[in-house]
Amino acid sequence: DADVTQTPRNRITKTGKRIMLECSQTKGHDRMYWYRQDPGLGLRLIYYSFDVKDINKGEISDGYSVSRQAQAKFSLSLESAIPNQTALYFCATSDLGWGETQYFGPGTRLLVL
Amino acid sequence: ELKVEQNPLFLSMQEGKNYTIYCNYSTTSDRLYWYRQDPGKSLESLFVLLSNGAVKQEGRLMASLDTKARLSTLHITAAVHDLSATYFCAVEETSGSRLTFGEGTQLTVNP
Repeated sequence: DADVTQTPRNRITKTGKRIMLECSQTKGHDRMYWYRQDPGLGLRLIYYSFDVKDINKGEISDGYSVSRQAQAKFSLSLESAIPNQTALYFCATSDLGWGETQYFGPGTRLLVL
Repeated sequence: ELKVEQNPLFLSMQEGKNYTIYCNYSTTSDRLYWYRQDPGKSLESLFVLLSNGAVKQEGRLMASLDTKARLSTLHITAAVHDLSATYFCAVEETSGSRLTFGEGTQLTVNP
């Protein structure tokens, strides 16, 4: 089984709808991240969490919210989806410590009509 | 604000040739990561570079870090088709474990 899973893998929604993307991990990592990927822009950080009680905004948090339900679960919500939130969303995890690489989930492809 | 720039953004090369991808960044850091992404897939960690002068090699890929120049390179030796992918560098801020990614280099290796 994959260490980092994301659901759903694909989602089509309409402008104004609220949607939630979920991420689960079995790696036992404390740190979790949400990124979005757009062509030509690399990955941009939306939110990150270093433990269950710690939530931090990334560079593009407007229009998004997150919930860290447990060490293993980190959800991303779009409160009122808009078309420019159409993107590929990745969840990632990393261990505590210096120089720990991040492990990425398979991604969720979101289309907002 | 940390900025990370890769060049080239697109690279088409022939099998058997050598080439280098460059990753420049704007502020002090000694932690740099390289990832690979196949089309439609997730990111896979390739290298972690944690000090000035660090060099890591895996197969036909070799990565290095020059923190004084704020530059990392990913060198491809005798390219093969299987190396076709998008390669990202990412720099970690010294204040924490946030990564800032470059735009990615889309590599195509032609027979």
